[in-house]
Amino acid sequence: EIVLTQSPGTLSFSPGERATLSCRASQSVSSSYFAWYQQKPGQAPRLLIYGASSRATGIPDRFSGSGSGTEFTLTISRLEPEDFAVYYCQHYDSSLYTFGQGTKLEIK
Amino acid sequence: EVQLVQSGAEVKKSGESLKISCQASGYIFNTYWIGWVRQMAGKGLEWMGIIHPGDSDIRYSPSFQGQVTISADKSLTTAYLQWSGLKASDTAMYYCVRHYDGNFDYWGQGTLVTVSS
Repeated sequence: EIVLTQSPGTLSFSPGERATLSCRASQSVSSSYFAWYQQKPGQAPRLLIYGASSRATGIPDRFSGSGSGTEFTLTISRLEPEDFAVYYCQHYDSSLYTFGQGTKLEIK
Repeated sequence: EVQLVQSGAEVKKSGESLKISCQASGYIFNTYWIGWVRQMAGKGLEWMGIIHPGDSDIRYSPSFQGQVTISADKSLTTAYLQWSGLKASDTAMYYCVRHYDGNFDYWGQGTLVTVSS
């Protein structure tokens, strides 16, 4: 079973800064089925990035994803106030879906 | 426009049964897998299981196999998640999700289930 580890659990940044979030897989995974989600308080999660690097419909271009193998990254180039939220990575393989435990992005 | 509209919040007692629903619209229901994700208060996301309405193929997470039942009604374009004997530990928010190419591209608004002992 693949385990996705997001660390650290919380990151603190100021608006306008660049944020890089990390997700590590316990074994090499296909980047074709790797995704990132954003969840704001009281809301359902929404898909940000799929296929490790493709932005979902309507997602601003300040969000970008990269990585392969066991290391994946979500980068927010210039943080806007609405970007402070919890971010989850997710992988799909052999009819099993795995989420990371989430990284909370908070305002410094 | 794709929409997943879930049934309302539920308050139940331990041991009771429950079935929550997710009505899909804006796409061809039979052609996409639709599933469920649990989120306990203050915690992360856990995938529970998924169904293909076209042929009723169902896959469960090992963590939820035998604990819940997933079904779908093509004529109503609705997916369901049910319990036959709720526990306090089933208290959580439940989201229905549409699967596309290895990810969940649309999410319902969530159904809060509260189980008291």
